[in-house]
Amino acid sequence: AQKITQTQPGMFVQEKEAVTLDCTYDTSDPSYGLFWYKQPSSGEMIFLIYQGSYDQQNATEGRYSLNFQKARKSANLVISASQLGDSAMYFCAMRGLAGNNRKLIWGLGTSLAVNP
Amino acid sequence: KAGVTQTPRYLIKTRGQQVTLSCSPISGHRSVSWYQQTPGQGLQFLFEYFSETQRNKGNFPGRFSGRQFSNSRSEMNVSTLELGDSALYLCASSDTGTSRNEQFFGPGTRLTVL
Repeated sequence: AQKITQTQPGMFVQEKEAVTLDCTYDTSDPSYGLFWYKQPSSGEMIFLIYQGSYDQQNATEGRYSLNFQKARKSANLVISASQLGDSAMYFCAMRGLAGNNRKLIWGLGTSLAVNP
Repeated sequence: KAGVTQTPRYLIKTRGQQVTLSCSPISGHRSVSWYQQTPGQGLQFLFEYFSETQRNKGNFPGRFSGRQFSNSRSEMNVSTLELGDSALYLCASSDTGTSRNEQFFGPGTRLTVL
C-alpha cells in the first residue's frame, strides 16, 4: 500500500533563513510522482513542486527545491530565504503513474510558522 | 485562465439531510478529483472523474456520490448526512495531457453538519 509520512507536525523558522520539511514515502510502484502543496489559512491548496521518480535531477521552483533520495524513499522540501507569507500548512503527496494508483495519497502535513 | 471554482463556499446542514457541492474545473481540464479534509484524518481521496466517467474511487460509503457533466463540471452529493461528514471538501482539476499531471485546487466548500 502507498503511504506518505510527514514526521514534523509543526516547524518554526526565522525570516530569511532556510527550512527543510521532511517527507518519506512507501510504494511498490516502479514509477510515481511526488508533490508538495501549500495550504494557507484560507484553505486553498497551492501546488509548489513536483518530482518524478525517474527524474535524474532534484526539482527546483524558485525558492523551493526538493531533496529527492530515491533509495531512502524521501522527498524533503527545502524553502530558502523564508518569508512571512510562507507561514502555512505544507503537504507532501504521491501518486502512482498508472492504473488504480493514480489517486493522490497525502501526508498529514507540517505547519510552518515564519517568525519575523 | 480562471481557476477552479467551488460553490457554495460554506454550508450548514443538519443530520439526515443531503447536500450537493459543485466544482467547475480550469478550462480545458477534463479530470476532476474530490477530497475530504478533516483535522483528524487529513486529506482523503473521494473519487476522480474523467470525461464523465468515474475513473478512481476512494474508501467512502455509498452515501458519497458524484458525477461529471459534458462540460467537465462536477458535482458531489452526500446523502443522509452524519456529524462526521463535517469537513472541508476540496475539488481539483488536472490536465491529463501532461506527464506530471499536477492537480489545481479550488478554495473548497466547508460543510458543517449539526
